[in-house]
Amino acid sequence: GAVVSQHPSWVICKSGTSVKIECRSLDFQATTMFWYRQFPKQSLMLMATSNEGSKATYEQGVEKDKFLINHASLTLSTLTVTSAHPEDSSFYICSATGQGDNEQFFGPGTRLTVL
Amino acid sequence: KQEVTQIPAALSVPEGENLVLNCSFTDSAIYNLQWFRQDPGKGLTSLLLIQSSQREQTSGRLNASLDKSSGRSTLYIAASQPGDSATYLCAVNTGNQFYFGTGTSLTVIP
Repeated sequence: GAVVSQHPSWVICKSGTSVKIECRSLDFQATTMFWYRQFPKQSLMLMATSNEGSKATYEQGVEKDKFLINHASLTLSTLTVTSAHPEDSSFYICSATGQGDNEQFFGPGTRLTVL
Repeated sequence: KQEVTQIPAALSVPEGENLVLNCSFTDSAIYNLQWFRQDPGKGLTSLLLIQSSQREQTSGRLNASLDKSSGRSTLYIAASQPGDSATYLCAVNTGNQFYFGTGTSLTVIP
């Protein structure tokens, strides 16, 4: 099946810094990518949907100026957590789907810890 | 490596029927298990989350059970409706990584 990778798999950063997480589709062109996060003991929640070449659509309650999403190519989407704070510590996971394909392929996730 | 399997791959039922979706996983060392709903072209919608210490969770017409020792979870949908038609995914969280099942495509016929 199609493979989606995320980098880094885990990251620890200081409060106030920005962190970039990459999501790549390795063997297919991902026209749509989804970003999710999961706080400890909570459900995985959709943050935003990004289509290649256009602005991401954010779910209610997700700050678009804090979580910058760029989907500049058909194989790469990035999520930048700007001015990270300890409450942003979470598990971030992306998924991708190809054109005309409803099947989603999920990345392994990135664990972010903000000190 | 954790492997997550969902059976059946597809299911078609008449409206009003109760149904069970199955999810099995190979490694019982899990942090939690989630059931998701996926509508075509949309992101996942979380349905139920079961922590490793829990046996079941309920939300409306949905009930999910977890038997960690046998590596099984079931999602029970009562009184199915056409609006329940979607793909249902289970995902196992080991604490470091998510492992997703391949999903069950459900069609509820009016």
